[in-house]
Amino acid sequence: EAGVVQSPRYKIIEKKQPVAFWCNPISGHNTLYWYLQNLGQGPELLIRYENEEAVDDSQLPKDRFSAERLKGVDSTLKIQPAELGDSAVYLCAKYGYTFGSGTRLTVV
Amino acid sequence: GENVEQHPSTLSVQEGDSAVIKCTYSDSASNYFPWYKQELGKRPQLIIDIRSNVGEKKDQRIAVTLNKTAKHFSLHITETQPEDSAVYFCAASIMNGQFYFGTGTSLTVIP
Repeated sequence: EAGVVQSPRYKIIEKKQPVAFWCNPISGHNTLYWYLQNLGQGPELLIRYENEEAVDDSQLPKDRFSAERLKGVDSTLKIQPAELGDSAVYLCAKYGYTFGSGTRLTVV
Repeated sequence: GENVEQHPSTLSVQEGDSAVIKCTYSDSASNYFPWYKQELGKRPQLIIDIRSNVGEKKDQRIAVTLNKTAKHFSLHITETQPEDSAVYFCAASIMNGQFYFGTGTSLTVIP
C-alpha cells in the first residue's frame, strides 16, 4: 500500500556524521510514528506525533536524535552525530496500519 | 507499560499444514491487536487485526483469536503456502496510542 513515503531508502555514513530521514504519510494522518528496527527484532518506537505535537518521545535518545513535524504532515528524523550502534532500519508509520519502506542506515 | 511476548521465535511447517503463532500481553487496557507480515528487506504489512470486543476474526486462510481474560491472542494460518514464509509480528495497542510489538516469528513453509 503506497500510504507512506520515506527517503532515502539506503544511507551509508561514517560515524560522527549527521544524517536525516524524511517521511510523508500520503493522504495524511494525524498520528505519525518513527520506529527503529534492528535485524531480527520488532519495531521499537522512537517518537509518536499527534499532528505537530510529539506526544511520546520517551524512547528517543535526545542527546543525538531529534525529530520534527512542523505542519503536521511530513516529518524529519535526524541523528547527530551518528554512532556505529545506530545502524538499523528506520521506519515511519501512520496510525498502526501502514508503514513506509524504511531507511536502512549503515554507520561505518 | 505494555509487554508483548511472542512464541515461537521460529516455526517450520510443511506446505499445506497449519501454523499457529501466539502472543501474550500484560496491559488490560490494550484493546487493539494487529498482526504484521514482513518479508525480507520489506516493510511490515498489516495482514489482520482484532479489537477487544471480538473473540475471533477470519480472513480466508488467516484467522486471529483473542482471549481477553488470559491476555493472549493467536494467529492461525491454514493450508500454508511457500509464499507465507516471512517474519510475523504481533502487536498490542490502545486505540490511537502506542503500539507494542512482539519479537517476531520467522515462519518457513517447506514445499
